[in-house]
This record gives sequence, structure tokens and C-alpha cells, in this order.
Amino acid sequence: AQSVTQPDIHITVSEGASLELRCNYSYGATPYLFWYVQSPGQGLQLLLKYFSGDTLVQGIKGFEAEFKRSQSSFNLRKPSVHWSDAAEYFCAVNNNAGNMLTFGGGTRLMVKP
Amino acid sequence: DVKVTQSSRYLVKRTGEKVFLECVQDMDHENMFWYRQDPGLGLRLIYFSYDVKMKEKGDIPEGYSVSREKKERFSLILESASTNQTSMYLCASSAGWQETQYFGPGTRLLVL
Repeated sequence: AQSVTQPDIHITVSEGASLELRCNYSYGATPYLFWYVQSPGQGLQLLLKYFSGDTLVQGIKGFEAEFKRSQSSFNLRKPSVHWSDAAEYFCAVNNNAGNMLTFGGGTRLMVKP
Repeated sequence: DVKVTQSSRYLVKRTGEKVFLECVQDMDHENMFWYRQDPGLGLRLIYFSYDVKMKEKGDIPEGYSVSREKKERFSLILESASTNQTSMYLCASSAGWQETQYFGPGTRLLVL
């Protein structure tokens, strides 16, 4: 069965600092990978996704993620964090036999002024 | 823009009550999903539907049922609510397999 691990439950960074959120997955074949963001009181919004091709994926709001098959990872990065990026971030994997997403436990990002 | 709406943002119910959570999408999507979200556990799939009147169990279907009588509407039913069903419930829809899932704002349910 597929699984997703987000090792960091909480992360605090200063505004303007760089950010990396970790995501590791367990899945036998090439996965479809997603990052979603959930702002307080909101539903989930898709940041970016990886299906195939270039392993560095650009998303909305200045985020990017890199798929590393050898490490079973799909880490999310942003070079300079803004206060409005404070939210909860979820990594998810889709088994490419269907449309069922498996989510990680989430990482809550706090941004210091 | 895809819009997924959920009937209530907050609900308070008593143990044993029958609870209906409604979800409507306006993009003619084939697939619809119900998740529950709990701290530290992320989102877990309860049920999904790939067509009208069709449904499949997700990872945690116990204590829940669903109904999809029209393509745009997917209902989650708690036949007899229990305190361990206190949670945030999120609905999503997608155009097809491997397509992006779009989420509603969620319903925060408290069962007393």
C-alpha cells in the first residue's frame, strides 16, 4: 500500500528566509505527486503536481518541488517566504491505477516577522 | 473556476443523531470524494463516487454512507453520529482519473 510521510509537523521560518518542506512516499511504481496548501478556515488548494517528465516542477505562489526517485522524496521549496504563506501544507500521492489520493499528515508553517 | 461548495461550515449534533453533509460541484466532474481531516493524520478518504449512483469505499468507511443521486451532488451520511466522528469533513471533485482534485471549504462537525 502507498503511504506518505511528512516528517516535520511544525516549521517556523522568518519572513524572507528560504523554505523546504519534506515529503517521502512509499509506492512501488512511478507515483503521481501533489502538494496542497490549506490556509486557515479554507479548503485545500493545489500548489503543484508531478506526473512525469522534468523532475523539477514549478507551481503557484513561487513554490517549486523536486521529485527524487532514488530518495523517494518530493520536497517543496520556496526561496523567500512571505507572511501570507503561513498555512498547512499537505503532500499526496496518487496510485496511477486510479484517482485515490493518499495524504501525508501535514506540515504547519508559521512565519515570523 | 471550479467551485465546490459544502452546505455548512460548522455543525453541532448530538450522539445518535442522523447527520447529512452535502457537497455540490459546478464543473460537471465525474468523480467526487469525501475525506475527513484530523490533526496529525492528514486527510483520509471515506468514500468516493465515479458516477451517479456509483460509490466505492475508501480507507475509513465504517460509520458512514453516501448518496449520489445527481452528478453535481454528493452527500455524506452519518447514520448515528458518535463523538469519534467529530472532525473536519472535506469534499472534493475531479474531472476524471489522475485529474486534479478540487476541494470545498470543509465542514467542521462537533458531536456532543
